[in-house]
Amino acid sequence: QLQLQESGPGLVKPSETLSLTCSLSGGSIGSTSDYWAWIRQPPGKGLEWIGAIFYSGSTFYNPSLKSRVTISGDTSKKRFSLKLSSVTAADTAMYYCARHVYGIGLDHWGQGVLVTVSS
Amino acid sequence: ETVMTQSPATLSVSPGEGATLSCRASQSINSYLAWYQQKPGQAPRLLIYGASTRATGVPARFSGSESGTEFTLTISSLQSEDFAVYYCQQYNEWPWTFGQGTTVEIK
Repeated sequence: QLQLQESGPGLVKPSETLSLTCSLSGGSIGSTSDYWAWIRQPPGKGLEWIGAIFYSGSTFYNPSLKSRVTISGDTSKKRFSLKLSSVTAADTAMYYCARHVYGIGLDHWGQGVLVTVSS
Repeated sequence: ETVMTQSPATLSVSPGEGATLSCRASQSINSYLAWYQQKPGQAPRLLIYGASTRATGVPARFSGSESGTEFTLTISSLQSEDFAVYYCQQYNEWPWTFGQGTTVEIK
């Protein structure tokens, strides 16, 4: 059974870089037809797709965040990561990692990690 | 970018009654539409994909349909565990986009 778990600092200072890791158990990011995605949700608000990495290593980003986002993967260590630079209070959110199966959608999610941007 | 618009924002329903949630895409998304359920303090859960296919383990009281760029999630008889926020999402083109959500609350 695939499980995903986010990890990283819960507090980041303005202008710094937010770094999160999603660790997999029961699966690998090298699986074909799968995308590995990051989604965020500001407190009390809706879901925003940040970006995704394909099993081949190709990446896709939300244009609204593209200049600040990097998603990378480590197939050997069964994890993928998110870096978001130059953060502001508007980046305060619950950050989720998830698997997207082609043609199906985001079928497995991590529990999420709350990241607060504050000095 | 494909904009997804959900309505209504809030739906008040009595247990046992049915509920109909709508989602409109700003352009064709070729049935690449998913519905998710989110309860407080939890990650979203995939309910429907391909506009009308129930995900594994989803009760039959949940059904999805489509007509062009209009998509509907129907809950036939609401149970206590169904009161939650529901999101639609298109995955036809980058960036994937979500609707703003519909809250189904107890009347």
